[in-house]
Amino acid sequence: SQTIHQWPATLVQPVGSPLSLECTVEGTSNPNLYWYRQAAGRGLQLLFYSVGIGQISSEVPQNLSASRPQDRQFILSSKKLLLSDSGFYLCAWINIERVSDNEQFFGPGTRLTVL
Amino acid sequence: AQSVTQPDIHITVSEGASLELRCNYSYGATPYLFWYVQSPGQGLQLLLKYFSGDTLVQGIKGFEAEFKRSQSSFNLRKPSVHWSDAAEYFCAVGVSGGYQKVTFGTGTKLQVIP
Repeated sequence: SQTIHQWPATLVQPVGSPLSLECTVEGTSNPNLYWYRQAAGRGLQLLFYSVGIGQISSEVPQNLSASRPQDRQFILSSKKLLLSDSGFYLCAWINIERVSDNEQFFGPGTRLTVL
Repeated sequence: AQSVTQPDIHITVSEGASLELRCNYSYGATPYLFWYVQSPGQGLQLLLKYFSGDTLVQGIKGFEAEFKRSQSSFNLRKPSVHWSDAAEYFCAVGVSGGYQKVTFGTGTKLQVIP
C-alpha cells in the first residue's frame, strides 16, 4: 500500500533562517507531487507541483522553492524565512496510473511557526 | 479557472442531529468534486468524490453528497452527527489534464455539542 511521510511534524524557526521540509512517498512510482500551505481560515493554497524528477512548477510567487531530487521525494525550502511563512504545510500525491480519479492523498503535515 | 465557495465558516450542531455543509463551485465543464475532512493538526482524508454517473455519492463514515448541476452545488450531508465528526471539512473541485489541479474551498469547521 502507498504511504506518504512528512518531516518534521513541527518546526519553530526565527525570521531569516533557512527552511527545509521533506516529503516522501512509498509504494508508488512516478507520482504527481504537490506542496500546499494552509493558513488559518484560508483553506489550502497550492504552492508547487511536480510531474517528475527535476520538474517543478510554481503557483504563486514567494520566497519558497521546491525540488524533486528523486522520484518519490519532494522538498520545500527557503533561504530566509518570513513571518508570513508560518502555517501548516501539506504534501500530497496523485497516482498517475489512476489519473482519471484525480484524488489527492495527503501527508500528515508540518506545522511551521516563524518567530 | 475553477473556484469553490464554502459559505459557512463555522457550524455547530447537536449530537444526533442532521448535518448539511454547503459547497458551490464554478467551472465550465463537468467537474471532479471532492469532500475532505481534517482533524486538528492532521492531514486531509477523503470522504467521497464525484466524477460522473449517479449524482448522489456515498462516502465513508456515513456521509453522502449530492451533485446538482443546475445549482453548481455539491452539498455534504449526514443524517445523524456523532461527536467524533467534529473537524474541518473541505470541498474541492478538480480539473483533469495537465497536472490535475485541485482547488479547495476555505473550509467549514464543524462543532458538535452533546
